[in-house]
Amino acid sequence: NAGVMQNPRHLVRRRGQEARLRCSPMKGHSHVYWYRQLPEEGLKFMVYLQKENIIDESGMPKERFSAEFPKEGPSILRIQQVVRGDSAAYFCASSPSSTGGAFFGQGTRLTVV
Amino acid sequence: EDKVVQSPLSLVVHEGDTVTLNCSYEVTNFRSLLWYKQEKKAPTFLFMLTSSGIEKKSGRLSSILDKKELFSILNITATQTGDSAVYLCAVGKNSGGSNYKLTFGKGTLLTVNP
Repeated sequence: NAGVMQNPRHLVRRRGQEARLRCSPMKGHSHVYWYRQLPEEGLKFMVYLQKENIIDESGMPKERFSAEFPKEGPSILRIQQVVRGDSAAYFCASSPSSTGGAFFGQGTRLTVV
Repeated sequence: EDKVVQSPLSLVVHEGDTVTLNCSYEVTNFRSLLWYKQEKKAPTFLFMLTSSGIEKKSGRLSSILDKKELFSILNITATQTGDSAVYLCAVGKNSGGSNYKLTFGKGTLLTVNP
């Protein structure tokens, strides 16, 4: 049973470009969460999605960031017009229910140059 | 604002030593406390604790929660170099019956020297 799969592992974007980060949850998991880890800081919750629904996006910046989890395919975290401050590790996690422990992917390290 | 504080921030020990990592929290509507091990890759799930006083064990690792004093400890006995990692503590809130919104501490960096 493969774990949570994220790609790409590393992504370099120039300021103003778009970044698309993908996350395939573990088999049987329909709950997906995105977290961001800035240098020297802990993981911060961004958004919680179930299939085709955003349940809680209270941790998402109001502009430029969006997330989706379509009926088919991976969850996508999209960052438009990236800025240097978006450079961070973005982790996706999944769980089989909303009350269980979440399992994390290996993260995507975004570098904005 | 919800807060999770881990101590120490870093710790260096020798193989065979026993270590205790601490996690204290201030969270409204507490539901659970989780421990993760993060090496250079994904945080790896270790334990989820929801009740006070019940120790969870997995090999040389064990953890316990005190909901009255609002803290948890993670013990590692007979440490090995492979235990070197950042250990993360996270607290889940009870939001409408769900446990999804984890607040993480900054972690404890454990280094085990041979």
